[in-house]
Amino acid sequence: GQQVMQIPQYQHVQEGEDFTTYCNSSTTLSNIQWYKQRPGGHPVFLIQLVKSGEVKKQKRLTFQFGEAKKNSSLHITATQTTDVGTYFCAGPGSGGSNYKLTFGKGTLLTVNP
Amino acid sequence: DTAVSQTPKYLVTQMGNDKSIKCEQNLGHDTMYWYKQDSKKFLKIMFSYNNKELIINETVPNRFSPKSPDKAHLNLHINSLELGDSAVYFCASSQVENTIYFGEGSWLTVV
Repeated sequence: GQQVMQIPQYQHVQEGEDFTTYCNSSTTLSNIQWYKQRPGGHPVFLIQLVKSGEVKKQKRLTFQFGEAKKNSSLHITATQTTDVGTYFCAGPGSGGSNYKLTFGKGTLLTVNP
Repeated sequence: DTAVSQTPKYLVTQMGNDKSIKCEQNLGHDTMYWYKQDSKKFLKIMFSYNNKELIINETVPNRFSPKSPDKAHLNLHINSLELGDSAVYFCASSQVENTIYFGEGSWLTVV
């Protein structure tokens, strides 16, 4: 079945440093979504990418969708302590069904103030 | 104004017991889900319902039985609880092809 691999599993940075997490799929994705889960919280939707090569920005966050629509990345510029949490990418299940969104294992970001 | 609400938030119970978690969404979404998040934070889909009909059942043991009385509710009943069932269970909803909205989670601890 379709798998979504995410690296790194953990990332610890000093406040002000940049951070990137990468997501790779074994199959072509119709779209990819990113979620953030704060410690003790629930996953919250950040963004959805649909087009090949798409780049979207949200303030200090930059999201990219690969040309082949098999990989994606989230880059945070100048991290802040509010960025702490686990970042998940997620892709539709086989056949492009969003009834079964498959999540990567997440990247836990910790920020040292 | 909670979009997806689930109860209880915390549940501690003994092995062998039966327990239920309730979920309601007020977003008017057609699709609802149950996800399980284990201690390693891995989010795994358990069930997906669309307009009260079961769409996805991800090889979850028969001890887990979801019930959707209407498209705004999706409850999860678990029989004969085992230690390995300890996890956070998230209810969620969406319109197909769109964002998934998660509830705040139910922390289940089986002792």
